[in-house]
Amino acid sequence: GENVEQHPSTLSVQEGDSAVIKCTYSDSASNYFPWYKQELGKRPQLIIDIRSNVGEKKDQRIAVTLNKTAKHFSLHITETQPEDSAVYFCAACKYGNKLVFGAGTILRVKS
Amino acid sequence: DTAVSQTPKYLVTQMGNDKSIKCEQNLGHDTMYWYKQDSKKFLKIMFSYNNKELIINETVPNRFSPKSPDKAHLNLHINSLELGDSAVYFCASSQSAAQETQYFGPGTRLLVL
Repeated sequence: GENVEQHPSTLSVQEGDSAVIKCTYSDSASNYFPWYKQELGKRPQLIIDIRSNVGEKKDQRIAVTLNKTAKHFSLHITETQPEDSAVYFCAACKYGNKLVFGAGTILRVKS
Repeated sequence: DTAVSQTPKYLVTQMGNDKSIKCEQNLGHDTMYWYKQDSKKFLKIMFSYNNKELIINETVPNRFSPKSPDKAHLNLHINSLELGDSAVYFCASSQSAAQETQYFGPGTRLLVL
C-alpha cells in the first residue's frame, strides 16, 4: 500500500522568510496530492492540492510542486506570517483509494 | 452554516464503557469517513462509507462499529473502551469516493480513564 514520508517534523522560520515542507510517496500510481493545515485544537483544512497531470500549482503565498519521476512533492510558503503557524499534513492517493497522510510538520513562524 | 458537525465535542469515560460519536454533513456529499488522530498528531483513516455502503475498513478492532443510516450521517460506536482509544476522532466528507477534497468535522476528543 501507499506510504508517505514527510520532512521536517518541525520547522521554525522568521516572519517574512519562506518555508518548505517535503513529502515522498511510494506508490507510483498515486495521482492526487492534497495539503492540509491544522491549527491547534482545530480541524484539518485543505489549503492546496495538485494532481499528477501538472507539475506546479500556486495560490497566493502558497505553492506546491510535484516530481512524479522522483515521487516527491513539496509545499512552499512565501512571506510567512505568524498565522501560518500550524501543523501541515501532506497526503497521497490513487483513484478510488484512501488518502494516506504524512506524519505532519509543525511550522512555527517567529515574529 | 456548519458543513460537517460532530457530537459530542468532548467525551471523558471509564475503561470498559461503550460510547457513540455522531457525525452529520449538510454538503450533499456521497462519501463520509472516520479518522483517528493520536497524541502524536498522526491522522489515520478508519472507515469510509459511500452512499451508506462501507467501502474502506482499515485494520481496526471490531470493538469499533460504524453505521450510516443515510448518506448525510455516519456514526461510530465503540464497545469496551480501552486506554489506547484515547484520541481525537474526526469525521470527514467528500463529494464522491474519487479524489475529491475532504471536509473535516471539528473532532471529538475522547479520553478514556
